[in-house]
Amino acid sequence: QSVLTQPPSASGTPGQRVTISCSGSSSNIGSETVNWYHQLPGTAPKILVYGNNQRPSGVPDRFSGSKSATSASLAISGLQSEDEGNYYCSTWDGSLNAVVFGGGTKLTVL
Amino acid sequence: QAQLVESGGGVVQPGTSLRLSCAASGFSFRTYAMHWVRQPPGKGLEWVGFMWSDGRTVYYADSVKGRFTISRDNSKSTFYLQMNSLRAEDTAVYYCGGDPPSSGYALDIWGQGTTVTVPS
Repeated sequence: QSVLTQPPSASGTPGQRVTISCSGSSSNIGSETVNWYHQLPGTAPKILVYGNNQRPSGVPDRFSGSKSATSASLAISGLQSEDEGNYYCSTWDGSLNAVVFGGGTKLTVL
Repeated sequence: QAQLVESGGGVVQPGTSLRLSCAASGFSFRTYAMHWVRQPPGKGLEWVGFMWSDGRTVYYADSVKGRFTISRDNSKSTFYLQMNSLRAEDTAVYYCGGDPPSSGYALDIWGQGTTVTVPS
């Protein structure tokens, strides 16, 4: 059971906008910044968003992150087939003194 | 370009030890905090632990505390994970990740992963 809760799956058609949620608590999302990663099967994760809503260079602006209270979201607009894969949210938990990950959301582009 | 390369994985019997290495290049290793993250077969990411850039502070996940030891050698730009008393549930792909200063624990560099298998 992950400390951060994500829906196990999400889907959309090409061009559509999808949102993936990440729910936590006051000891993690409520007091720390949230990061998002994308992972394709058999490959290492890649950072998509850091600091709640900052994109590393090279990440398209179709990806956007937000945070409110103890929840965070990743929005993907103009969905493309290459966006398929698993998405993970992550942050620091001050009560556990640990980095925590969500269980992951598998995104399917229909 | 920035790169991390893990090595040292393999198949080991329960109760034995293994040491993983993570060689860094192409970035200022000594300024980065470094993490180990693992992924059991077919499952999600699990954080193992991390060490600050200066090597003075280290944190571990409860699941490995007392069995795993993280260390680094900034002179060699290498990061290590010593794993003792291995269990079947430690079977996973192990990734090292680089966490730049003031990033809020964001891993912006990842290795390709090394597989550790502990048969049950």
